[in-house]
Amino acid sequence: EDQVTQSPEALRLQEGESSSLNCSYTVSGLRGLFWYRQDPGKGPEFLFTLYSAGEEKEKERLKATLTKKESFLHITAPKPEDSATYLCAVQDSVIGNQFYFGTGTSLTVIP
Amino acid sequence: DTGVSQDPRHKITKRGQNVTFRCDPISEHNRLYWYRQTLGQGPEFLTYFQNEAQLEKSRLLSDRFSAERPKGSFSTLEIQRTEQGDSAMYLCASSPLFHTEAFFGQGTRLTVV
Repeated sequence: EDQVTQSPEALRLQEGESSSLNCSYTVSGLRGLFWYRQDPGKGPEFLFTLYSAGEEKEKERLKATLTKKESFLHITAPKPEDSATYLCAVQDSVIGNQFYFGTGTSLTVIP
Repeated sequence: DTGVSQDPRHKITKRGQNVTFRCDPISEHNRLYWYRQTLGQGPEFLTYFQNEAQLEKSRLLSDRFSAERPKGSFSTLEIQRTEQGDSAMYLCASSPLFHTEAFFGQGTRLTVV
């Protein structure tokens, strides 16, 4: 059964303090790994898609990387506006079209 | 705004009543998904459409839930005889046929009292 585990559950950072979020996954075959940002009371906002081990994507202060078993979302010099819940999801190329989501990491950046 | 649109944004209903939610996907997106999310959890898959065909449905989905996508455009999700456990955020997402990432709407927050 496909599984996605995110850690830590919650993270508090000082503004400018870089850190990484982890997403461990188990799939039969990886079609894609996705990172989303979700603000309270809103739908998830798409950030990145990664397809194969070794791939990296960047957007502003965020950088996502992928290995065969996990993905990291690196946040460099975060700002308070980066505070949100970050969700990781996978799509299995064998099982079907649905996305399996983790429970997310709640990030708080303190000014 | 050309994003995924969901209506209503909030719905309060009494236990036992039926409710229906609407999702308008991004124009020309063939794939449409419904997800449910409760507080502190990630979105949980409910069902998937490719054009008007409902191709996948969660094994956990009660038969009180039904979804349609007539003519492959907008979609509706109906919950019959609502229960307190149905209280959640209901999310709709859409995706072009030959792309993998999905784009979510702002969700419909359902509260069953």
